[in-house]
Amino acid sequence: GENVEQHPSTLSVQEGDSAVIKCTYSDSASNYFPWYKQELGKRPQLIIDIRSNVGEKKDQRIAVTLNKTAKHFSLHITETQPEDSAVYFCASMNRDDKIIFGKGTRLHILP
Amino acid sequence: NAGVMQNPRHLVRRRGQEARLRCSPMKGHSHVYWYRQLPEEGLKFMVYLQKENIIDESGMPKERFSAEFPKEGPSILRIQQVVRGDSAAYFCASRNRDTGELFFGEGSRLTVL
Repeated sequence: GENVEQHPSTLSVQEGDSAVIKCTYSDSASNYFPWYKQELGKRPQLIIDIRSNVGEKKDQRIAVTLNKTAKHFSLHITETQPEDSAVYFCASMNRDDKIIFGKGTRLHILP
Repeated sequence: NAGVMQNPRHLVRRRGQEARLRCSPMKGHSHVYWYRQLPEEGLKFMVYLQKENIIDESGMPKERFSAEFPKEGPSILRIQQVVRGDSAAYFCASRNRDTGELFFGEGSRLTVL
């Protein structure tokens, strides 16, 4: 069945440095790739997304890249701040609109 | 525009009892997803429904679990004869058909004693 692999499971970066989280998907027909941020005890919230007809998208300090050939997409956070500490989930949506999530990356921003 | 509403937020059940979790999607959204999240783990897909129709229930255990989304009223995730392993947070989300974005509810946290 469909699968989304996410790495790393935990990531610690110094405040101000960049963080990169990577995901791969198995269904080549997937066409939509959102990223969600979940703070402790809260609901997941969308931070950025990308569609299969676009290779890169940026929103202030956050960017996402997509390599359809390799079935690989990444989240990049630059100039990290303490409030970026959270769990980040990648996801992919297939042609039947089923949305599968990766297992999450716990990001720690170190002072 | 109210967001996705889930209730109850917290539910405690003893082994063997039934749990019913309810989800009202955002206004104008006709597609509902249910996910299960264990502590320190990811969001595991359970089921995807639209009104009066289960589209994909491949993530739902074959026994004890069922879901519905009637023409009127909220979507309901029902767990019969709960066991300790059912303890988790159950998140419901509804999807904007135009953008694809999933909007999550606050989750229902089930504890089985």
